[in-house]
Amino acid sequence: DAGVTQSPTHLIKTRGQQVTLRCSPKSGHDTVSWYQQALGQGPQFIFQYYEEEERQRGNFPDRFSGHQFPNYSSELNVNALLLGDSALYLCASSSNYEQYFGPGTRLTVT
Amino acid sequence: GENVEQHPSTLSVQEGDSAVIKCTYSDSASNYFPWYKQELGKGPQLIIDIRSNVGEKKDQRIAVTLNKTAKHFSLHITETQPEDSAVYFCAASPSRSSASKIIFGSGTRLSIRP
Repeated sequence: DAGVTQSPTHLIKTRGQQVTLRCSPKSGHDTVSWYQQALGQGPQFIFQYYEEEERQRGNFPDRFSGHQFPNYSSELNVNALLLGDSALYLCASSSNYEQYFGPGTRLTVT
Repeated sequence: GENVEQHPSTLSVQEGDSAVIKCTYSDSASNYFPWYKQELGKGPQLIIDIRSNVGEKKDQRIAVTLNKTAKHFSLHITETQPEDSAVYFCAASPSRSSASKIIFGSGTRLSIRP
């Protein structure tokens, strides 16, 4: 079992650009959540997808959007990037209470 | 609003000694409390969790306690080893029948002195 995988590992973008991050959940998991982790802080919940629908959303602007595919994989899209969007973006998959995290995508906005 | 406070922010213990990390939460609807360990360059790893109908849970050298009345929960690591060095996060979630958003604490950087 490969566990939760994310791509790319690292990404550098310029202010105003758009970015797409990808996540493949652990085998057997149907729910995907996305978190943003700024340096030295705990992860913050962005949103959660289940059955290809956004089920819950945290306090993030509409610039953050997502999608879940029929195979349960997911994408996180961020438009009009700001310097403050620089962070580690984590994907977590679950089938019950427990959420298991991937290694994350390190996004740097310059 | 929903908040999880975690103390201390840094903790240094001698190898073989015990380490304790304490957290409090604000949302009374929280009923699931996971703990994560994050090593440098990696995602958080679930190490133990506890649900609100249980006061204590133990897994080898790791134990968690929960006091729902006081909204306190703690992580205890006994016989610490060098590989225990990492950042530890407590978290709370209002999960009901399935996974829900997790609110994380700010983390504790644990260092084990040889």
